[in-house]
Amino acid sequence: NAGVTQTPKFRVLKTGQSMTLLCAQDMNHEYMYWYRQDPGMGLRLIHYSVGEGTTAKGEVPDGYNVSRLKKQNFLLGLESAAPSQTSVYFCASRPTGGRTEAFFGQGTRLTVV
Amino acid sequence: KQEVTQIPAALSVPEGENLVLNCSFTDSAIYNLQWFRQDPGKGLTSLLLIQSSQREQTSGRLNASLDKSSGRSTLYIAASQPGDSATYLCAPFRGGNKLTFGTGTQLKVEL
Repeated sequence: NAGVTQTPKFRVLKTGQSMTLLCAQDMNHEYMYWYRQDPGMGLRLIHYSVGEGTTAKGEVPDGYNVSRLKKQNFLLGLESAAPSQTSVYFCASRPTGGRTEAFFGQGTRLTVV
Repeated sequence: KQEVTQIPAALSVPEGENLVLNCSFTDSAIYNLQWFRQDPGKGLTSLLLIQSSQREQTSGRLNASLDKSSGRSTLYIAASQPGDSATYLCAPFRGGNKLTFGTGTQLKVEL
């Protein structure tokens, strides 16, 4: 049971470098989300997608881009990393409908130096 | 905008105690509420999903209640064990992108 898988699990970037975080789910879920978690601030929504080919901004989208070319994958890109993007990133997915639960990946710990 | 508050922020109890974690939210127009557990350095594990039409949901030693009209949910843990030590997060869901998290209750169960 793979569920939601995030790669990589850890990464250290230098300021200005770019990278892509991959989220893959094998549950055929329509909705996918990217959150960041910072101490004392809880989880905040960066971007989300309601289906293949769609993306939308969340609460803290600046500095990030996303793509959902395939239903099972949701990519989060940092074009020019900044120290303020040091965080733990979580991907989640859920089926459509209001009675469903969300499933989370194990997280990617990103440090920007 | 949905605001979620969890009280207490931290809790330390001896093994065997029954305990209650509280969650309050400002917008009661929710479909459901999910309780998660997060171990240090790990992801979120779903514990219980309680629908807006339900009052309670149980799983083993865990019982979650929901009073949607007053914007409150509680997670009751019976006979706590050291393995229950973790951060507990509640997340009311209003549909679409509207899954909002509290900052959690950090629980430590001591021997």
